[in-house]
Amino acid sequence: DAGVIQSPRHEVTEMGQEVTLRCKPISGHDYLFWYRQTMMRGLELLIYFNNNVPIDDSGMPEDRFSAKMPNASFSTLKIQPSEPRDSAVYFCASRPGQGNGYTFGSGTRLTVV
Amino acid sequence: KQEVTQIPAALSVPEGENLVLNCSFTDSAIYNLQWFRQDPGKGLTSLLLIQSSQREQTSGRLNASLDKSSGRSTLYIAASQPGDSATYLCAVRSGSNYKLTFGKGTLLTVNP
Repeated sequence: DAGVIQSPRHEVTEMGQEVTLRCKPISGHDYLFWYRQTMMRGLELLIYFNNNVPIDDSGMPEDRFSAKMPNASFSTLKIQPSEPRDSAVYFCASRPGQGNGYTFGSGTRLTVV
Repeated sequence: KQEVTQIPAALSVPEGENLVLNCSFTDSAIYNLQWFRQDPGKGLTSLLLIQSSQREQTSGRLNASLDKSSGRSTLYIAASQPGDSATYLCAVRSGSNYKLTFGKGTLLTVNP
């Protein structure tokens, strides 16, 4: 398996633009997580899904952020409109229903100028 | 609300030294605790996981301990090597919720 695949690896966008981050979890994993990492706040959970259904979105900072999981092999995190304070590394992770193993993607480094 | 703190924020040691990284958490009602490694520009790699009923776990030169009652965990690295240089993150899972709460990490540099 190629692991959790995120795209793009790097994204630079102007303030006010829409940004879409993509994630392909490991096949067979029931859970998918979106995390954001900044120097100030560390790694924070934004939202997670179980069998494509959002379970906990309490970490989504505001209405500008939205996440979807239309099927078991694809998820998106969208920011509209983007702001400079959204600059961070966004990680996607997945895990199976049983066991303890989380697998993280390599992240998307977002810079909003 | 669970909070996880890691001390020190950065550590620099000469090759071959044994070292300890610390992690503390505010709510002792945890399900398990994990230590991850993060290399620059990469994702996180799980190193060790300790269930709430366990006291320690070992993998090669790594040993992680857990004292749930005091809200503390340590990661011991024996005979450190330059390849161990990375950021080490502690993460706590509380209850049946699959959410992980992370510390901010310790940046370890092992000098040849």
